Amino acid sequence: QSALTQPASLSGSPGQSITISCTGTSSDVGAYNYVSWFQQHPGKAPKLMIYDVSNRPSGVSNRFSGSKSGNTASLTISGLQAEDEADYYCSSYTSSSTHVVFGGGTKLTVL
Amino acid sequence: QVQLVQSGADIKKPGASVKVSCKASGYTFTGYYIHWVRQAPGQGLEWMGWIDPNSGDTNYAQNFQGRVTMTRDTSISTAYMELSRLRSDDTAVYYCARESWGVDYWGQGTLVTVSS
Repeated sequence: QSALTQPASLSGSPGQSITISCTGTSSDVGAYNYVSWFQQHPGKAPKLMIYDVSNRPSGVSNRFSGSKSGNTASLTISGLQAEDEADYYCSSYTSSSTHVVFGGGTKLTVL
Repeated sequence: QVQLVQSGADIKKPGASVKVSCKASGYTFTGYYIHWVRQAPGQGLEWMGWIDPNSGDTNYAQNFQGRVTMTRDTSISTAYMELSRLRSDDTAVYYCARESWGVDYWGQGTLVTVSS
């Protein structure tokens, strides 16, 4: 069981917007602005899409945006494209002995 | 350009140890933490710990305390992760990754298979 809770799967049509949630606690997501989002295609290493809740690394499309409210962080992908089909993971610093925790991952399907 | 190149796949017997290397290039090795993350087949990501290549300080996830050792050799810009007392459920792809603004660069992953 992962420390952060994400929906197992989501789907959307090209051009639509979707939002992936990442629910933690007051010891992780709620306590720190150190939430990151990663995209992972099959057989590939994860790719950083969002860091520190809402910041995009250089080169990441502005169709990807992040936010946080209380103990829940969210990743929104607007204008869905076929290439966005992948697994998405959130992570957060935590005050527990684990230090960094991941969500269980969300499989995004572009219909 | 920033690159993290990991050692090749390995097969180990239960109870043995494995040491995975992660060679950094394209940036100042001692300037950024290196994290280690693993992913069992078909499963999610699991954080194992980090090392500060400058000081050698480490921080391990509780799940791996006593079994994992992270080290580095600054003369060759390489970080290492050694996991001991291997079990079948340690079979996974092990990744090293650099932390800058977020964990921004990842190695290609090293598959470690534990099987008798």
